[in-house]
Amino acid sequence: DAGITQSPRHKVTETGTPVTLRCHQTENHRYMYWYRQDPGHGLRLIHYSYGVKDTDKGEVSDGYSVSRSKTEDFLLTLESATSSQTSVYFCAISVTGGNNQPQHFGDGTRLSIL
Amino acid sequence: TQLLEQSPQFLSIQEGENLTVYCNSSSVFSSLQWYRQEPGEGPVLLVTVVTGGEVKKLKRLTFQFGDARKDSSLHITAAQPGDTGLYLCAGSPNTGNQFYFGTGTSLTVIP
Repeated sequence: DAGITQSPRHKVTETGTPVTLRCHQTENHRYMYWYRQDPGHGLRLIHYSYGVKDTDKGEVSDGYSVSRSKTEDFLLTLESATSSQTSVYFCAISVTGGNNQPQHFGDGTRLSIL
Repeated sequence: TQLLEQSPQFLSIQEGENLTVYCNSSSVFSSLQWYRQEPGEGPVLLVTVVTGGEVKKLKRLTFQFGDARKDSSLHITAAQPGDTGLYLCAGSPNTGNQFYFGTGTSLTVIP
């Protein structure tokens, strides 16, 4: 299994509070991704990173920000959480960003916003 | 609207039956990947198809990439309870560098 750790694994919080999810990898892969998974939508890309301090938006980036200060860590922040951001969040890594490259996923963070 | 639509969304079959899952798009993809996801875990890559018309086999699973590279299918022969899970197709369309996942097919194989 790829060395990917997501924390926390579960979180319940209230609307309007800030939330930060952490993804830690031990593979030294260049690319890291944050997805959210909702019923009927599969996984949707929020943000991704192609190196330290290099990030870009995905399909559903509104309301989310990311930071990558070290190769091994990719943080996802909800500045002011809303109920629509209740979801399961997955981090993934890949060696390169090529279309044929496999992505290796963490086990997810279940986030509930009340 | 999802860029990659999968059908069916849910599938419940008896052990030993055959099934096909479809992944369709109006966009052309340079390649498509198939993942399987089990409850409480992240998706795991099964295969990548690259060439239009390509067929790849992984034991009882057969993956096909459409000639026009807009669609793909996954066929499972003699399904087993261990095949139960969520199957996802994924890829990047030729028109951009975004990576998209399909809507998913939840398969249950009943012993």
